[in-house]
Amino acid sequence: DTEVTQTPKHLVMGMTNKKSLKCEQHMGHRAMYWYKQKAKKPPELMFVYSYEKLSINESVPSRFSPECPNSSLLNLHLHALQPEDSALYLCASSWGGRDTEAFFGQGTRLTVV
Amino acid sequence: AQRVTQPEKLLSVFKGAPVELKCNYSYSGSPELFWYVQYSRQRLQLLLRHISRESIKGFTADLNKGETSFHLKKPFAQEEDSAMYYCALSNTGGFKTIFGAGTRLFVKA
Repeated sequence: DTEVTQTPKHLVMGMTNKKSLKCEQHMGHRAMYWYKQKAKKPPELMFVYSYEKLSINESVPSRFSPECPNSSLLNLHLHALQPEDSALYLCASSWGGRDTEAFFGQGTRLTVV
Repeated sequence: AQRVTQPEKLLSVFKGAPVELKCNYSYSGSPELFWYVQYSRQRLQLLLRHISRESIKGFTADLNKGETSFHLKKPFAQEEDSAMYYCALSNTGGFKTIFGAGTRLFVKA
């Protein structure tokens, strides 16, 4: 299995809602990532988990809360989002290290209303 | 600071013509550079990385440290090469990969 699976594919939520995005990989990768991609823009790194520990937080607002329950799963908990948070949220995984390929999921298209 | 610059948002070429997608980077250490591609309705995927010095789907890219460039080249473009191409750089630790703005390649018949 060489895929990163993200659920749901689409999500519409109100500004007072709480929701979670899920990501799963079974390649044994030790690094997992959340990226945010706005329309016609490149992916922007949000969080990096290495060996299930948060190693990078790119100054992301606290209304985004990542969680790595185990080495195969990565969640992104959402609360009190703003309309400008609407974007494609990409999960990726890799072995870690400099020369390693990142495998990307298809993304969750999030719309905040 | 880490930075990746792709100066062309859109590149349009005819089938069979050579293509070069430009990428320049700024990084104080020794970078690892990649090209990722996103075909229509598909996920972002690795095309090639500089350290392996390989040719994938006819594409090659050479790291030029003097010019801080990592341009992607293909001698004869094919219609199926039409896609979004991102140049990316990983930092020394390897966990922080940043992407350039991307270049959309359109290969005309």
